[in-house]
Amino acid sequence: EAGVAQSPRYKIIEKRQSVAFWCNPISGHATLYWYQQILGQGPKLLIQFQNNGVVDDSQLPKDRFSAERLKGVDSTLKIQPAKLEDSAVYLCASSRSAGHSGNTIYFGEGSWLTVV
Amino acid sequence: DAKTTQPPSMDCAEGRAANLPCNHSTISGNEYVYWYRQIHSQGPQYIIHGLKNNETNEMASLIITEDRKSSTLILPHATLRDTAVYYCIVRNSGNTPLVFGKGTRLSVIA
Repeated sequence: EAGVAQSPRYKIIEKRQSVAFWCNPISGHATLYWYQQILGQGPKLLIQFQNNGVVDDSQLPKDRFSAERLKGVDSTLKIQPAKLEDSAVYLCASSRSAGHSGNTIYFGEGSWLTVV
Repeated sequence: DAKTTQPPSMDCAEGRAANLPCNHSTISGNEYVYWYRQIHSQGPQYIIHGLKNNETNEMASLIITEDRKSSTLILPHATLRDTAVYYCIVRNSGNTPLVFGKGTRLSVIA
């Protein structure tokens, strides 16, 4: 079974530029998560999707971050304009729908962003 | 906020068992204990989870105390490749996301 796929793996941009990250979850996983991990810290949830609907985006800085999952499969996370403090690893994760006892969340390898 | 407490770091000799403790004194009856690890430059990797019974898989064993207020992850024969940050997380069986704390940085020493 293929895992969670993310791209690009690494990206360097200047501040005030824009960047987009793509995620393809595990086949059949209805729930998709985007996390941000700043160096030395644990991952922090940005947004959670159930199919193509947003479940929780309370931690997403909506003035500059946006995310979509239009067809309920792939997802894109965009940052515009980027700030220096956005330098982090952006992790995508997925899981099966609620109702599965102890449904496990699986992570991709992450997209490393450096803003200079 | 994370509902677990873990030591910030631990060392383990290669080939020996690594026992990683976790306190979760406020765990609710429907919450599972999950363990993940993160090797440098990689995404978090699922290890094991349990509700109240001890669990074992090909990677590790999970021992949960009878009152469920603490647990221990056991790597039976640690190797250098087990060097990573280990996260203990409590989570219910629904669609709630994982809330990460700071984890335990395990260093396996040759």
